Amino acid sequence: EAGVAQSPRYKIIEKRQSVAFWCNPISGHATLYWYQQILGQGPKLLIQFQNNGVVDDSQLPKDRFSAERLKGVDSTLKIQPAKLEDSAVYLCASSFGPDIYEQYFGPGTRLTVT
Amino acid sequence: QKEVEQNSGPLSVPEGAIASLNCTYSDRGSQSFFWYRQYSGKSPELIMFIYSNGDKEDGRFTAQLNKASQYVSLLIRDSQPSDSATYLCAGSQGGNKLTFGTGTQLKVEL
Repeated sequence: EAGVAQSPRYKIIEKRQSVAFWCNPISGHATLYWYQQILGQGPKLLIQFQNNGVVDDSQLPKDRFSAERLKGVDSTLKIQPAKLEDSAVYLCASSFGPDIYEQYFGPGTRLTVT
Repeated sequence: QKEVEQNSGPLSVPEGAIASLNCTYSDRGSQSFFWYRQYSGKSPELIMFIYSNGDKEDGRFTAQLNKASQYVSLLIRDSQPSDSATYLCAGSQGGNKLTFGTGTQLKVEL
């Protein structure tokens, strides 16, 4: 079974530029999550999708971050414009459903904003 | 106020010893708790979850939950150097929304 795929793996941009991350969840997983993990901290949930609908985006900085999951499969997370404090690893995870199911994490995208 | 708190460590234990990792949480609405292991530069992977008071064992790992004290722990028996990693505790209020602690770094020394 293929795992969660993410791209790119690394990205360096200057502040005020925009960036987009892509995630392909495990086949058949209806729930998809985007997390932000700043160095030395635990992952923080940014947004949770159930199929192509948003379940929770309470911690998503909506003035600069956006995410979509068209057709309930792949997802894209965008930052526009980026700030220095956005430097982090962006993790995508998926699970079979929204209840107590294991969340499988992708390898992450390491973003550096200079 | 942090909802899930962990000592950042590092916690150093000799090979073969029992490693005890602790976590406290502030939200009494949290229903289930998860322990993830994260190697440096890698993504988190689930070790086990627990949602009932008491102990839950899986191989060398035992998770303990005490809802009255709002306390969760993970015991690792016969610690191996390959167990050296950061261990993340996460709580869920339902709907699989996880709130993670900052993690405890474990070092198992030869």
